[in-house]
Amino acid sequence: AQSVAQPEDQVNVAEGNPLTVKCTYSVSGNPYLFWYVQYPNRGLQFLLKYITGDNLVKGSYGFEAEFNKSQTSFHLKKPSALVSDSALYFCAVRDSTTSGTYKYIFGTGTRLKVLA
Amino acid sequence: NAGVTQTPKFRVLKTGQSMTLLCAQDMNHEYMYWYRQDPGMGLRLIHYSVGEGTTAKGEVPDGYNVSRLKKQNFLLGLESAAPSQTSVYFCASSRQGAQGQPQHFGDGTRLSIL
Repeated sequence: AQSVAQPEDQVNVAEGNPLTVKCTYSVSGNPYLFWYVQYPNRGLQFLLKYITGDNLVKGSYGFEAEFNKSQTSFHLKKPSALVSDSALYFCAVRDSTTSGTYKYIFGTGTRLKVLA
Repeated sequence: NAGVTQTPKFRVLKTGQSMTLLCAQDMNHEYMYWYRQDPGMGLRLIHYSVGEGTTAKGEVPDGYNVSRLKKQNFLLGLESAAPSQTSVYFCASSRQGAQGQPQHFGDGTRLSIL
């Protein structure tokens, strides 16, 4: 079965510094990987995805993610953090079912706190 | 520009009561999902549907039932509420496809079982 792991419950970074939120995955076959962000009292919002192609994927709000097959990682990055980036971030992987349909497996989430 | 709408937004139930959570999407998506979110556990899939009239079990289906009578609606029912079902429930929808379509989420229903 597919799975993702987010090893850090919380990441603190100073405003203006680069940020990284870590995700590792375990899949059979080619991975379909996603990052979502959740602000307080809201649902998850899609940031970016990796399907195939360039290992550096660009997404919304200046975020990007680097796919590394040898390390089975898909870390979320941003060159310069903003206080408004403070939120809960989820990594997810697409899982195929026995009937040929798809569902998604989410990590446990990483809370990002950007300090002014 | 509604997207995915969940009703109600908040609800308090007593143990043993039943209720139905409604999810409606206006994007003509084939796939719909119900998740629960608990601290430290991320999102766990309860049930999902890949089309009108179809449903399937997810990771934590016990104590819940679902129905998808219309393509735009996905209902989650609690037959006999238990305190362990206190959680935030999220509905999501996505297009069908082999290219990894992202999910669109509602803003959640916060449910407390006393």
